[in-house]
Amino acid sequence: EAGVAQSPRYKIIEKRQSVAFWCNPISGHATLYWYQQILGQGPKLLIQFQNNGVVDDSQLPKDRFSAERLKGVDSTLKIQPAKLEDSAVYLCASSLGTSWSNTGELFFGEGSRLTVL
Amino acid sequence: QQQVKQSPQSLIVQKGGISIINCAYENTAFDYFPWYQQFPGKGPALLIAIRPDVSEKKEGRFTISFNKSAKQFSLHIMDSQPGDSATYFCAASGVDSNYQLIWGAGTKLIIKP
Repeated sequence: EAGVAQSPRYKIIEKRQSVAFWCNPISGHATLYWYQQILGQGPKLLIQFQNNGVVDDSQLPKDRFSAERLKGVDSTLKIQPAKLEDSAVYLCASSLGTSWSNTGELFFGEGSRLTVL
Repeated sequence: QQQVKQSPQSLIVQKGGISIINCAYENTAFDYFPWYQQFPGKGPALLIAIRPDVSEKKEGRFTISFNKSAKQFSLHIMDSQPGDSATYFCAASGVDSNYQLIWGAGTKLIIKP
């Protein structure tokens, strides 16, 4: 079974530039998550989708971050304009479960490491 | 109410020893407690998880001990091996978190050969 695919793996940009990350979840997984992981910290949830609807985006800095999940499958996360403090690893995860049940396991991709100079 | 506190921040254990990582939670409505393992350059991966109806769960060398009254749970790694060197995250979730995982800050474990 193929895992969660993310690209690009690494991206270096100047502040105020824009960047986009792509995620392809495990086939059949209804729920997709974008997390931000700053070095030395635990993952911080940015946005959660169920199919193509947003379940929770309360921690997404909406003035600069946007995300979409087209047709309930692939997802993109965009940052525009980037700030220095956006330097982090952006992790995509998917799960079989729905947002209203504790069905357990999240499957993570390898992440996209962003460096903002 | 939603925090999960993890300790220690880092841990060095000799090969063959027992590694112990502790977590404490506040919300008594939490009912799912997973541990994730993360290697450098990789995403976290589920290692083992427990629900509060049992006090202990063992999978190979990995054991979760759960103390509902103290609102604490811990990960024990028996016969620790250099390949266990990674960062470990505890987490918790339940109806009060809309079933979203509340993550601990992580423990960087180093197993010395």
